[in-house]
Amino acid sequence: GQNIDQPTEMTATEGAIVQINCTYQTSGFNGLFWYQQHAGEAPTFLSYNVLDGLEEKGRFSSFLSRSKGYSYLLLKELQMKDSASYLCAFQDSNYQLIWGAGTKLIIKP
Amino acid sequence: GAVVSQHPSRVICKSGTSVKIECRSLDFQATTMFWYRQFPKQSLMLMATSNEGSKATYEQGVEKDKFLINHASLTLSTLTVTSAHPEDSSFYICSARNPEGHTEAFFGQGTRLTVV
Repeated sequence: GQNIDQPTEMTATEGAIVQINCTYQTSGFNGLFWYQQHAGEAPTFLSYNVLDGLEEKGRFSSFLSRSKGYSYLLLKELQMKDSASYLCAFQDSNYQLIWGAGTKLIIKP
Repeated sequence: GAVVSQHPSRVICKSGTSVKIECRSLDFQATTMFWYRQFPKQSLMLMATSNEGSKATYEQGVEKDKFLINHASLTLSTLTVTSAHPEDSSFYICSARNPEGHTEAFFGQGTRLTVV
């Protein structure tokens, strides 16, 4: 079967670093996405990993290990505006997106 | 980047009436669009996949007669919530992906539906 899991909620301090983990199980895999969603708004694309390794994009980085079925999103120099939900989703063999439940990130001053 | 436009952003309707939500891809032709529903503090739930020129594919548990989907052109899909009830109140989001490559999905702004 297919499943995807990420923590429900995390709290971090402004200026710090936080890592949001995502684990998944699937027989067919065509990449993993991370999206940011502010309350009441639609998700916005952050990153896409299809090969193992770390992709860095400014303050945000995303890592993938296909053999472990594991990804993480790393946010550096946290700002208050980073308070949002972060959704991971993998693309299965039919290129359909399977979504995690989202991790609500709370940033404290 | 590609843009998907969804309208309206908010709508309040009376119980028993119908509401139409539009989703447009502005700079690419979307042969497939996706309709999601999201309840508070929950993740995206795929309702149906809208295919241009053919019938939509509905997920298990989604009533096709209640949530009518029309994808008449390569840039427009509509979702009509028929005979709306308060339990249909939710955040509805459409998305589309450029068929040229299986890359990120672009989302519309979402529609907050409140049925009173």
